[in-house]
Amino acid sequence: EVQLVQSGAEVKKPGESLKISCEGSGYSFTSYWIGWVRQMPGKGLEWMGIINPGDSDTRYSPSFQGQVTISADKSIRTAYLQWSSLKASDSAMYYCVRHEVFSTLEMFWGQGTMVTVSS
Amino acid sequence: QSVLTQPPSVSAAPGQKVTISCSGSSSNIGSNFVSWYQQLPGTAPRLLVYENYKRPSGIPDRFSGSKSGTSATLGITGLQTGDEADYYCGTWDSSLSAGFFGTGTKVTVL
Repeated sequence: EVQLVQSGAEVKKPGESLKISCEGSGYSFTSYWIGWVRQMPGKGLEWMGIINPGDSDTRYSPSFQGQVTISADKSIRTAYLQWSSLKASDSAMYYCVRHEVFSTLEMFWGQGTMVTVSS
Repeated sequence: QSVLTQPPSVSAAPGQKVTISCSGSSSNIGSNFVSWYQQLPGTAPRLLVYENYKRPSGIPDRFSGSKSGTSATLGITGLQTGDEADYYCGTWDSSLSAGFFGTGTKVTVL
């Protein structure tokens, strides 16, 4: 069974760093691109970026370029989304997704990780 | 800001049909496949349609997708109360080399 299991909810203060994770199982981890999707409270879905776990080729949405870093460690079948300095506006649900086909938004979803940034 | 535009809301009575439009441009919908998602409150999105019109296993044929030029449409027939949700289109933009979701549409069953 294909699964994307994300790390648990986080509560952080502005200015702190954070790295959340997404572990893939039940499939060849390096055969599919992994992406991240943000959903702010009461708002729509925003595609953030994507990584090829096989060679770490990464693409970012223009809106998120420079704001976050996407990485992956294929040895432990895990992708990451990280921030160096969180802002209150980073508070959101973050979904890890497996792109079934690169350059489409046909995706398999993780359960989501809630990030709350508050002083 | 999304490059894909959807109506904020649509509504109809049980058993009726609704259509949701998704408008883009030649660099996204015009040249790439469109997917559609349903998001029930408090849950992760569920894939309803991929490659413009195909349905994953388990998705009833009440849901249908189509594409023409730079627009795509999701149709829901035989509307049920359980269809009340937010719906999003999504596609790739070849110029920006990035994915985009539509602005989202809330479906209300009257």
